[in-house]
Amino acid sequence: DVQLLESGGGLVQPGGSLTLSCAASGFTFSANVMSWVRQAPGKGLDWVSTIGTTPINTYYTDSVKGRFTISRDNSKGTLYLRLDSLRAEDTALYYCAKVSRLIGTYFYFDSWGQGALVTVSS
Amino acid sequence: QTVVTQEPSFSVSPGGTVTLTCGLTSGSVSSTYSPSWYQQIPGQAPRALIYNTNVRSSGVPDRFSGSIVGNKAALTITGAQADDESDYYCSLYMGSGVSVFGGGTQLTVL
Repeated sequence: DVQLLESGGGLVQPGGSLTLSCAASGFTFSANVMSWVRQAPGKGLDWVSTIGTTPINTYYTDSVKGRFTISRDNSKGTLYLRLDSLRAEDTALYYCAKVSRLIGTYFYFDSWGQGALVTVSS
Repeated sequence: QTVVTQEPSFSVSPGGTVTLTCGLTSGSVSSTYSPSWYQQIPGQAPRALIYNTNVRSSGVPDRFSGSIVGNKAALTITGAQADDESDYYCSLYMGSGVSVFGGGTQLTVL
């Protein structure tokens, strides 16, 4: 079974930094595109970032470009999200998601972790 | 900026049929956007229901179906059950690694 386990969440002051990790198991991590999706308290889902099977291809939603960095270590089966220059509006539950895709045909988030809570507050 | 629209809330009677939609503020949704649908029970992680417009994810009951209706993607629940009461989100793939979620629909079964 696919398992995604996020860690690294916590309380951080505005302007601060945090790194989230997502330990993956139950599938061939190196062969899969991975993403981060967040959900602010009481709000909907918000796509944050996606990384290809190699670290070269990374994509971000506009609101986090230049502040967040997605990365992966295929040897460890782990996905990361470095969050810098944090703002109050970044407060959310951050989900790690495995992507299933067939180029030119479909792209979707087929498995999700339970999330890591990031709270930005002074 | 791309905005994906969904009905904020909907209600259906047990055993009834409901269709939730997923549109764009500018333009039409087509299969090119690879529409997918997710169910989220409050307090739980989302679960994939439908991908590639109309393909059910593994283990999803066949009372859930996806389609394109007019200029929108649609999720239809036929024979709604009490445990279908959840939030439902659509996602569109815009290409170049970018995805956008709709605001979600809170479905009540009563």
